[in-house]
Amino acid sequence: AQRVTQPEKLLSVFKGAPVELKCNYSYSGSPELFWYVQYSRQRLQLLLRHISRESIKGFTADLNKGETSFHLKKPFAQEEDSAMYYCALPDTGGFKTIFGAGTRLFVKA
Amino acid sequence: ETGVTQTPRHLVMGMTNKKSLKCEQHLGHNAMYWYKQSAKKPLELMFVYNFKEQTENNSVPSRFSPECPNSSHLFLHLHTLQPEDSALYLCASSPLTGTGGGNTIYFGEGSWLTVV
Repeated sequence: AQRVTQPEKLLSVFKGAPVELKCNYSYSGSPELFWYVQYSRQRLQLLLRHISRESIKGFTADLNKGETSFHLKKPFAQEEDSAMYYCALPDTGGFKTIFGAGTRLFVKA
Repeated sequence: ETGVTQTPRHLVMGMTNKKSLKCEQHLGHNAMYWYKQSAKKPLELMFVYNFKEQTENNSVPSRFSPECPNSSHLFLHLHTLQPEDSALYLCASSPLTGTGGGNTIYFGEGSWLTVV
C-alpha cells in the first residue's frame, strides 16, 4: 500500500541553522513526490515537486529511491519559513494524492 | 476571481441542521476534491471528481454528500453531523487526474466547520 511518513510532528530550529524535514514513502513503481506548505492564515500550496528539480525559497528535495526518501532541506532557515509542511504522493492511478501527517517547522529568532 | 474559492469561510451548525459548503474554481481544471483537515488526523481525502464524475469516495459517512454539477463547481452537503465532524474542509482542484504521473493540487482557503 502506498504510504507517506513524516516522522516529526514539530521541528524547531534557530534562524540561520540548516533544516531538514523528513519524508519517507512506500510506493510500487516510479513515484512523483511533492512538498506542500501552509503558512499561517494562508492556503495550502505547492512548494516544490521532485520532477522539476528546482529550488524554491531556498528549499530543495532529492528523491532517494534506495532509501525511499524525499527529505526537504534548506541550508539557512529564515523566520518566514515557519509553517506546516506536507509531503505528498499521487497514487498509481493518479486519482488521488496521499499526504503525510505534516511537520510544523518553527524557526526561532 | 482566479483560483479556488470556498464559501462560507466559517460555519456553525447544530447536529440536526442541513447546510452546504460551496467551492468554485476558475482554473479550468478537470478534477476537484474535498479534503478534511483536523488537528487530530492528517489531511484526509474525502471525495474526488474527475470530469464531474465521482471517482473516489474514501469511506466517508453518508451524512456528507458531495455534488458536482459541472467541472467548475463542487458542493458538500451536510446533514445530521456529529461534533467530531468539526474541522477545516478544504476544496481543491487539479488539471487532470488518472495520468499516473501526478498533478499539482490547488487548494482553497477552506471552510471552518463547527458542529454544536
